[in-house]
Amino acid sequence: EPEVTQTPSHQVTQMGQEVILRCVPISNHLYFYWYRQILGQKVEFLVSFYNNEISEKSEIFDDQFSVERPDGSNFTLKIRSTKLEDSAMYFCASRLDRAGYTFGSGTRLTVV
Amino acid sequence: QKEVEQNSGPLSVPEGAIASLNCTYSDRGSQSFFWYRQYSGKSPELIMSIYSNGDKEDGRFTAQLNKASQYVSLLIRDSQPSDSATYLCAVNKSGGSNYKLTFGKGTLLTVNP
Repeated sequence: EPEVTQTPSHQVTQMGQEVILRCVPISNHLYFYWYRQILGQKVEFLVSFYNNEISEKSEIFDDQFSVERPDGSNFTLKIRSTKLEDSAMYFCASRLDRAGYTFGSGTRLTVV
Repeated sequence: QKEVEQNSGPLSVPEGAIASLNCTYSDRGSQSFFWYRQYSGKSPELIMSIYSNGDKEDGRFTAQLNKASQYVSLLIRDSQPSDSATYLCAVNKSGGSNYKLTFGKGTLLTVNP
């Protein structure tokens, strides 16, 4: 069964450092997403991406965040200057149509 | 009013029983509805999707949708210990290419052997 692949599975970074989280969506999917889940809290929408541009972003997705699809397969989330409160699980998701979104296994980001 | 609300857990049922999970949503324009299962420390895994009023069955799982009441439910028959997880209700908000999932906080289900 096709999978969404995320790397790394766990990243520890110092406050103020830049991190890049990587995702390989399912190859024929057209819509791409980043979600995050702070420990013990609900899964929150960050950003959606379609046709090589951002479709929608949440209030969380401020100027410190950016997304890119640098080639035909990768989809990245960059956090420019990490803060302690950025510590969370970050999930990439993709979908083809209105059917269910497929989530990657996630990257646990720990900011120290 | 929260966009997606789930009945507060945790919910504990004995093995073999029926587990009933409920969810309400606020946006009447929502068009598709999903139940995800999430084990601790893992990503959400899609169990059921439902788009029309009524029931949809898949194995031991039945999803029910009532758009007039803005209500979605999930029934798990013959519950197994392996069903113990957090169940997330998610609603797909309308908007063409701007579809996005909005999640509830989840209901923790424990199935006791």
